[in-house]
Amino acid sequence: KNEVEQSPQNLTAQEGEFITINCSYSVGISALHWLQQHPGGGIVSLFMLSSGKKKHGRLIATINIQEKHSSLHITASHPRDSAVYICAVRDYGGSQGNLIFGKGTKLSVKP
Amino acid sequence: NAGVTQTPKFQVLKTGQSMTLQCAQDMNHNSMYWYRQDPGMGLRLIYYSASEGTTDKGEVPNGYNVSRLNKREFSLRLESAAPSQTSVYFCASSVNGERLTGELFFGEGSRLTVL
Repeated sequence: KNEVEQSPQNLTAQEGEFITINCSYSVGISALHWLQQHPGGGIVSLFMLSSGKKKHGRLIATINIQEKHSSLHITASHPRDSAVYICAVRDYGGSQGNLIFGKGTKLSVKP
Repeated sequence: NAGVTQTPKFQVLKTGQSMTLQCAQDMNHNSMYWYRQDPGMGLRLIYYSASEGTTDKGEVPNGYNVSRLNKREFSLRLESAAPSQTSVYFCASSVNGERLTGELFFGEGSRLTVL
């Protein structure tokens, strides 16, 4: 049973399109992370949130605690946004190391 | 500002050989982690260290040992490498408290192949 489910698994978009990646989880959480893994393999943190909404440039992350769901939106997508986007949650009842990761959404933005 | 530095970036081992992956962070973070990433699977926690002097097993600790040498450094050792340990390994760090999760900072990854 996957405690963190991401959809879609793969996504192809045209440059300029509005993109949404979804993350659903089944445990009570204290925080949710969105990460970006570049084609070269490096992983960077995009957002950490426990409620509401955060915005950074063209990226917006929202979370609905009651529905156990988060979305990552990319406005005016660009080929450089092509990457794998990973959702991870911190299980509120778990140990400090207990981050549960989704399998990622592979995004390809075509020019 | 180096962030999280892990070495080596690439390594090929023969079955039974040993090696140590090194990780250091310069952000004064108290928590450090070792993950492995395999195709089709999410990142899986091998070991973590909530603070200097403490280490705990994660989801997949078998075949690995760790040392939290000081606040900066957290090493991962494979005593007798097996082909199943072929993977990409990531070190990460964060500022964490009792119930607080800080932002994660990752190293660039170490690609290990065991023949």
